[in-house]
Amino acid sequence: AQSVTQLDSQVPVFEEAPVELRCNYSSSVSVYLFWYVQYPNQGLQLLLKYLSGSTLVKGINGFEAEFNKSQTSFHLRKPSVHISDTAEYFCAVSDNNYGQNFVFGPGTRLSVLP
Amino acid sequence: SAVISQKPSRDICQRGTSLTIQCQVDSQVTMMFWYRQQPGQSLTLIATANQGSEATYESGFVIDKFPISRPNLTFSTLTVSNMSPEDSSIYLCSVEAGPGYGYTFGSGTRLTVV
Repeated sequence: AQSVTQLDSQVPVFEEAPVELRCNYSSSVSVYLFWYVQYPNQGLQLLLKYLSGSTLVKGINGFEAEFNKSQTSFHLRKPSVHISDTAEYFCAVSDNNYGQNFVFGPGTRLSVLP
Repeated sequence: SAVISQKPSRDICQRGTSLTIQCQVDSQVTMMFWYRQQPGQSLTLIATANQGSEATYESGFVIDKFPISRPNLTFSTLTVSNMSPEDSSIYLCSVEAGPGYGYTFGSGTRLTVV
C-alpha cells in the first residue's frame, strides 16, 4: 500500500520569497507522483506530475518539483511566490496511470503574506 | 486533456434527504472516480465507476449510502442518500486526463447538510 506525507500543514511566506512544500511517499513499487493545487472555493488543478524521465519536473505558474527516489521525496518549489499562490497544495501518488491506488497527502496550506 | 462539468456547485440540504451530483466529461473515458473532501481534510476516494458495471467502493463507503450510476462513457452521477450533517463535504469527480497526463478533477460540489 502507498502513503503520502506532507509534513507541513501550513506554510506562511512573504510575497516574492522562495517556498518549498515537502512531500514524502512510501511505496513498494514504482510510482507516479503529482502535485495538485486547490484555490479557495474551487476544485483541484494539476500543477505538475512525474511519470518517468528527468527527475526535475516543471509545472504551471512557475512551480517545479524534484523526484528523489533515494529519499522517497517529491518536494514542490517556487523561487518567488505571489499573493495569488495562496491555496491548498496536495501531493499524490499512484502506482499506475489508470486511476487505481491514487492516494492524496493531507495537504499543505500555503499563505502568501504581503 | 478532458474537461469535466460538475453540478451542482453547491447545495444546502435538509437531513434525511438525498442529493444527486452529476459529472459530464467532454470525451469518452473508461473510469470515473468520486472523491470526498471533508472540511479541512484531504481527498478520500469513495468509488470507481466503470461504464456497464457496478461501481467499486473503497473501504468505509457503501452503495446504499452512495449509489453511483454510469450510463455511458461521458457521464456519471453520485447520490448522497439519507444525509446527515456528517456528510457535509466537497464531493469531486475525476477522470484520467489522458495517457501520461495525470487526472482531471471537476470543480466540486460543496454540500452542507443542516
